[in-house]
Amino acid sequence: NAGVTQTPKFQVLKTGQSMTLQCAQDMNHNSMYWYRQDPGMGLRLIYYSASEGTTDKGEVPNGYNVSRLNKREFSLRLESAAPSQTSVYFCASREGASNQPQHFGDGTRLSIL
Amino acid sequence: DQQVKQNSPSLSVQEGRISILNCDYTNSMFDYFLWYKKYPAEGPTFLISISSIKDKNEDGRFTVFLNKSAKHLSLHIVPSQPGDSAVYFCAARGSGTYKYIFGTGTRLKVLA
Repeated sequence: NAGVTQTPKFQVLKTGQSMTLQCAQDMNHNSMYWYRQDPGMGLRLIYYSASEGTTDKGEVPNGYNVSRLNKREFSLRLESAAPSQTSVYFCASREGASNQPQHFGDGTRLSIL
Repeated sequence: DQQVKQNSPSLSVQEGRISILNCDYTNSMFDYFLWYKKYPAEGPTFLISISSIKDKNEDGRFTVFLNKSAKHLSLHIVPSQPGDSAVYFCAARGSGTYKYIFGTGTRLKVLA
């Protein structure tokens, strides 16, 4: 029962380095999402993919890129990491049907020095 | 501009009593609302949801109420148990969209 798997769980980067966060789901879900969680800010949507082959910006997309590699995998890339991107990143997936909840991974804790 | 607001950062309740968590929203186009529970070092897990065509949904000890005119929803947990201690997020989805907007969370502590 893997569900949504995120790798790595922890990462420390230096300012300016690049990094790709990986996410894979085994539930055959159509939609996938990337969020960041910061203290006092809740979960904010970075990018989402409604279906394989499509991606759209969320609330806070600046500084990030995404790739929906196939139906299972949705990666998040930081091209030039900045301290403001220090956060916990969550990936989620959802069935294509209308009123279905998202299923979340356990997060990647990213620190940028 | 925060479209989904949880104005109480924390709440403490005695075991066995009712916990009431509140959430307000500003966008009248939201048509589906959810509550998630989050333990430390884990991802949020889905708890209960409600469509805008309903005003109440129950699942065991958890009930969600929706007041569309007030743009307000609440989660009632009865009776509260120590294992319910977690951060609770409400979320809302715009009609016809795939975007879910989350509130800032309320940390519930159930005291034994």
